[in-house]
Amino acid sequence: NAGVTQTPKFRILKIGQSMTLQCTQDMNHNYMYWYRQDPGMGLKLIYYSVGAGITDKGEVPNGYNVSRSTTEDFPLRLELAAPSQTSVYFCASSRTWGGSTGELFFGEGSRLTVL
Amino acid sequence: DQQVKQNSPSLSVQEGRISILNCDYTNSMFDYFLWYKKYPAEGPTFLISISSIKDKNEDGRFTVFLNKSAKHLSLHIVPSQPGDSAVYFCAATTRGSQGNLIFGKGTKLSVKP
Repeated sequence: NAGVTQTPKFRILKIGQSMTLQCTQDMNHNYMYWYRQDPGMGLKLIYYSVGAGITDKGEVPNGYNVSRSTTEDFPLRLELAAPSQTSVYFCASSRTWGGSTGELFFGEGSRLTVL
Repeated sequence: DQQVKQNSPSLSVQEGRISILNCDYTNSMFDYFLWYKKYPAEGPTFLISISSIKDKNEDGRFTVFLNKSAKHLSLHIVPSQPGDSAVYFCAATTRGSQGNLIFGKGTKLSVKP
């Protein structure tokens, strides 16, 4: 089973560029999430989705956009990249709301550097 | 302000001994607590959880203890194995209000052969 797949694994962006981090899951989970992890810090929730067509902001949504057109895919869009967005990004999914059971399935992460 | 605190960035333990990882929280509304394990270049994986109605939950070599009055939880690994070397994240949430998971900064555990 592939689980949660993220692409790309690494990317270097220049300030002001835009890009999309791709995330797809094959577990038919309704709930999907995007987290970021800054060096020496815990994971912070950027956006989440409770199903196709439904998304909502998490703790740190500024500078990002998401969409959820299918159950499987949950891309994260960075507009006008800034050095503060240098981080490792994790996509995750869960069968039930992650705050209820806590059992999120994470992808391997995408390391983004903005120079 | 950090709601979930892991004050030890790292811990080194000898193989076969007990590893104790600690976590403190400030939000008294948290009612569900979890530990995740993360290897380098991989995503976190769920390890064990505990509800606020319990004070202990055990799964094989892993036991989580919750002290609500002290707002403190700990993860015990007995016996520790080299394959346990990873970063361990404590997380908490308010299940009743469908709260988000709040993660600590993590503790890097090194188990030496």
